[in-house]
Amino acid sequence: GQQLNQSPQSMFIQEGEDVSMNCTSSSIFNTWLWYKQDPGEGPVLLIALYKAGELTSNGRLTAQFGITRKDSFLNISASIPSDVGIYFCAGQVQGAQKLVFGQGTRLTINP
Amino acid sequence: DTGVSQNPRHKITKRGQNVTFRCDPISEHNRLYWYRQTLGQGPEFLTYFQNEAQLEKSRLLSDRFSAERPKGSFSTLEIQRTEQGDSAMYLCASSPLGGINQPQHFGDGTRLSIL
Repeated sequence: GQQLNQSPQSMFIQEGEDVSMNCTSSSIFNTWLWYKQDPGEGPVLLIALYKAGELTSNGRLTAQFGITRKDSFLNISASIPSDVGIYFCAGQVQGAQKLVFGQGTRLTINP
Repeated sequence: DTGVSQNPRHKITKRGQNVTFRCDPISEHNRLYWYRQTLGQGPEFLTYFQNEAQLEKSRLLSDRFSAERPKGSFSTLEIQRTEQGDSAMYLCASSPLGGINQPQHFGDGTRLSIL
C-alpha cells in the first residue's frame, strides 16, 4: 500500500533556528498537504500543494512539491515557541479522497 | 466558519460496550471523512461520505464499525462490541466539492479509551 516516510522523526532546536523536514513516497501523489497537530487537538492545515515544483509560503513556513511528485519538504524559518508540535505530511492521489499520512515529525524548541 | 465539531471529546468505556461518536462538518462542506489515529502515528483513513452516500471504506473498518450520514449533514460513527485495540483518537474532517482535491479540515477528535 501507499506509505509516506517522514524525517526526521524528532527535532530538538534552539529558538530562532530554521527547521527543515521532508516526506518521501514510493508512489506518485497529485496533492501534498502539511498539517500541524498540538496535543489533544486535531491536525490543522498549514499548506496545500497542487503542482509539481510548486513552492508555497505561509508566513514563516515554506513548502515545496517535489518535481518527481514523490516528495515534499517543509521549512520553518526563525522558529518560535508556538511552533512546538507534531508536523504531518499527507499525500492525495488525483480523484481519490483519502489522505495518506506520514508518521510525523515532533518539533521541540529550547528557549 | 465554526470549524468541524466532534462530540464527545473523550469516551471511556468497558470492553464489549457499544459507543457512538458524532461529527458536525463545516457548514456547506459536502464531503465528510473519518480517520483513526493511534499514539505516535499519523491518522489512518476509515471512510468518507459525499453528501449522504458512503463512497469508500477502508479495510480498517471492520464489521463492528458503522458510519452514517443520513441527511448529508452530521455523521455518526458507531463501534459495536468494543475491543482493547479500538482505543485511539477518532478524527473527523470535511471538505467542499471542487475541481481539484480540496484540502480537508479536521476536528479535534474523540479520544476513546477501552478499559
